Amino acid sequence: EPEVTQTPSHQVTQMGQEVILRCVPISNHLYFYWYRQILGQKVEFLVSFYNNEISEKSEIFDDQFSVERPDGSNFTLKIRSTKLEDSAMYFCASGGRENTEAFFGQGTRLTVV
Amino acid sequence: AQSVTQLDSQVPVFEEAPVELRCNYSSSVSVYLFWYVQYPNQGLQLLLKYLSGSTLVKGINGFEAEFNKSQTSFHLRKPSVHISDTAEYFCAVSKAAGNKLTFGGGTRVLVKP
Repeated sequence: EPEVTQTPSHQVTQMGQEVILRCVPISNHLYFYWYRQILGQKVEFLVSFYNNEISEKSEIFDDQFSVERPDGSNFTLKIRSTKLEDSAMYFCASGGRENTEAFFGQGTRLTVV
Repeated sequence: AQSVTQLDSQVPVFEEAPVELRCNYSSSVSVYLFWYVQYPNQGLQLLLKYLSGSTLVKGINGFEAEFNKSQTSFHLRKPSVHISDTAEYFCAVSKAAGNKLTFGGGTRVLVKP
């Protein structure tokens, strides 16, 4: 069964460092998303991406964040200068042409120290 | 703006007993409704969704949910739980296909033998 894969599963980084979280969405999917879940809090929407551009972003998704689809298969989330409060589980998701359902990856746990 | 409230943060239940997880939402427009499950150390998996049509929706693993427009609710039920149903359950809404998901705070179900 096709699935969304995320790497790494866990990343520890020092405050102020740049991190790139990687996702391989389901092939032939057209819609791509990043969500995050701070420990003990709700899953929050960060950004959606369609047709090679951001279609919507939340207030959380400030200038420190960027997304890219560098080739036909990867979808990345970059945090330029990490802060302690960026520590969270980051989920990638993708949706097909009908896009009535988002398929989630296993998540990357980011720990900023 | 939409919001989702899951009234119970934790629900302990004995094996083979029924369980109901409550979800209420608010939205000024029609919504699509979803329940996701997160097993320990795994990503989010779709249990079921309501897009339109019959208000009783059947999902995987014996779960079902009923959409009640007048009460703005989408409660999840299972008549007889198994130990393997121990997980966190998230209710979510979106206002259209392709739109972001807004999640509730989650309900942690602990099935006891």
